[in-house]
Amino acid sequence: EAGVVQSPRYKIIEKKQPVAFWCNPISGHNTLYWYRQNLGQGPELLIRYENEEAVDDSQLPKDRFSAERLKGVDSTLKIQPAELGDSAVYLCASSALDTQYFGPGTRLTVL
Amino acid sequence: GNSVTQMEGPVTLSEEAFLTINCTYTATGYPSLFWYVQYPGEGLQLLLKATKADDKGSNKGFEATYRKETTSFHLEKGSVQVSDSAVYFCALSDQGGGGADGLTFGKGTHLIIQP
Repeated sequence: EAGVVQSPRYKIIEKKQPVAFWCNPISGHNTLYWYRQNLGQGPELLIRYENEEAVDDSQLPKDRFSAERLKGVDSTLKIQPAELGDSAVYLCASSALDTQYFGPGTRLTVL
Repeated sequence: GNSVTQMEGPVTLSEEAFLTINCTYTATGYPSLFWYVQYPGEGLQLLLKATKADDKGSNKGFEATYRKETTSFHLEKGSVQVSDSAVYFCALSDQGGGGADGLTFGKGTHLIIQP
């Protein structure tokens, strides 16, 4: 069974540029999460989807971050414009019952 | 709010030594507790979990017991190997019986095992 797929794996951009991350969850998993992991820290939840509905986006900085999960499968997380402080690893996870499975993450560097 | 505190690293041990990584938590309700591991260059993997008080999670020789009275979920292994070198994260989900909520993670403990 394929795991959670994320792309790209690495992204380097200049500040004020836009960037997007893509996630394909494990087949059949209705719940999808985006986390941000800063260097030396644990992941922090940004947004959680149940199918196509964002049920918890309280930690998503909505002035510059947006996310969508059309058709309740793949998801995209976007930052526009990016700031230096957005440099981090962006993780996607999915779950069907009580266990979250994580993708390899996208390492974003903002210069 | 919810929080997880785990011991700072790096923790350096010799092969075959006994391992304990401390984890304590603060949560409302009855959380589920997890240990995730991140090997070099890889993504987060679930190591073990416990969903109610006094449950013991175990996997690959690692164990952790959900202690409600001390709000702890310490990770232990009797004899570590070089291949156990990784970063270990303690986490909780504030939803009894499952992890559908977002996870709250500790900062991670970097474990280094020397041959």
